[in-house]
Amino acid sequence: LAKTTQPISMDSYEGQEVNITCSHNNIATNDYITWYQQFPSQGPRFIIQGYKTKVTNEVASLFIPADRKSSTLSLPRVSLSDTAVYYCLVGDRYYKLSFGAGTTVTVRA
Amino acid sequence: EAGVTQFPSHSVIEKGQTVTLRCDPISGHDNLYWYRRVMGKEIKFLLHFVKESKQDESGMPNNRFLAERTGGTYSTLKVQPAELEDSGVYFCASSQDGLSGRSYNEQFFGPGTRLTVL
Repeated sequence: LAKTTQPISMDSYEGQEVNITCSHNNIATNDYITWYQQFPSQGPRFIIQGYKTKVTNEVASLFIPADRKSSTLSLPRVSLSDTAVYYCLVGDRYYKLSFGAGTTVTVRA
Repeated sequence: EAGVTQFPSHSVIEKGQTVTLRCDPISGHDNLYWYRRVMGKEIKFLLHFVKESKQDESGMPNNRFLAERTGGTYSTLKVQPAELEDSGVYFCASSQDGLSGRSYNEQFFGPGTRLTVL
């Protein structure tokens, strides 16, 4: 499994855009990049997944450069309810998820 | 549609006792996973069922842990005898095979069972 590196924490204010960059230098050809979100006392929840270029859904955007050695999760116009831990995971499409420490995002009023 | 449910939400037991955790996956999901987070550590994979068969149990810490999935539906994780280091939050997740909606292998997690061994 490819090792990922992401910031331990980030602070933001309501209405701002939050960008979290994850490094995964040894990503393999078959690997996808997936982001999960976890609120206190809940299980992780899928946010977005991508292989290359840009993916956007109703929650976030995921930017992946051509070399795929990093990726950036973009959360537009965050609110207090976006305060959570965000995990970047890299692996092939099958099964076992490997969570790192994640990035704790704190949104302030 | 009901999500993944886990029971109990909390369990406090004495060292040496037995505890059984239960997970009900989303209906129709063949894949069921167990993960756990022990205090201050990262969420770690324990094992993966495909229907009633264990596909990967490489993360099971030792033979005090026994997981079963009766008839390919709900699953139980038994810890016997429990030790202090087993304290943590145990998560269950389920998924469908292949591309489903937005992703491959999107895993849906339950709220977890917080286990405290005294």
